[in-house]
Amino acid sequence: GAVVSQHPSRVICKSGTSVKIECRSLDFQATTMFWYRQFPKQSLMLMATSNEGSKATYEQGVEKDKFLINHASLTLSTLTVTSAHPEDSSFYICSASYSTDTQYFGPGTRLTVL
Amino acid sequence: GENVEQHPSTLSVQEGDSAVIKCTYSDSASNYFPWYKQELGKGPQLIIDIRSNVGEKKDQRIAVTLNKTAKHFSLHITETQPEDSAVYFCAASKETGFQKLVFGTGTRLLVSP
Repeated sequence: GAVVSQHPSRVICKSGTSVKIECRSLDFQATTMFWYRQFPKQSLMLMATSNEGSKATYEQGVEKDKFLINHASLTLSTLTVTSAHPEDSSFYICSASYSTDTQYFGPGTRLTVL
Repeated sequence: GENVEQHPSTLSVQEGDSAVIKCTYSDSASNYFPWYKQELGKGPQLIIDIRSNVGEKKDQRIAVTLNKTAKHFSLHITETQPEDSAVYFCAASKETGFQKLVFGTGTRLLVSP
């Protein structure tokens, strides 16, 4: 149980384009979803927290207009990287949580911006 | 805010040996401490967690201990196997509405056959 999926697993895009990443909780309803960014050989950096039907809460230093988060249902959250640039290349990971404090992570999406 | 330190950054052991990874946290209000295993190119997988009302928890070859007074917690893996090789992250959180996790810097464990 507590399976989280992400799509796509890998994406390559040109500089200036926008990319959408989906995060789904497959067998539970997620009251809260989280988006992380991870650079090579580094820890996870929380970007934002979202609750279904409300605006996401962004961490300090994360541009909300650059990283658009939508949490339209209890099983789906999306992260859109707008006008992507090479420095946005990274491993993006979502997690989902229900009534307890446990977070279940998705498999991650590797974004490469050319 | 909370700060989590993790040691060592790398750990090499022989198959069958035990491995111990240690973390310290700064916020005495933190009360939930999960451990995640991350394999290359994959998302973190929860392997064990402990809450502040418990001092030790065990699940087969994996155990976690918590010392609230000293504000540190440790992951113990016994009878290590090559498939235990991965990066392990500790984390801490307070019981708030958003359950925000603060992660340690990670430990790369290599188990040699």
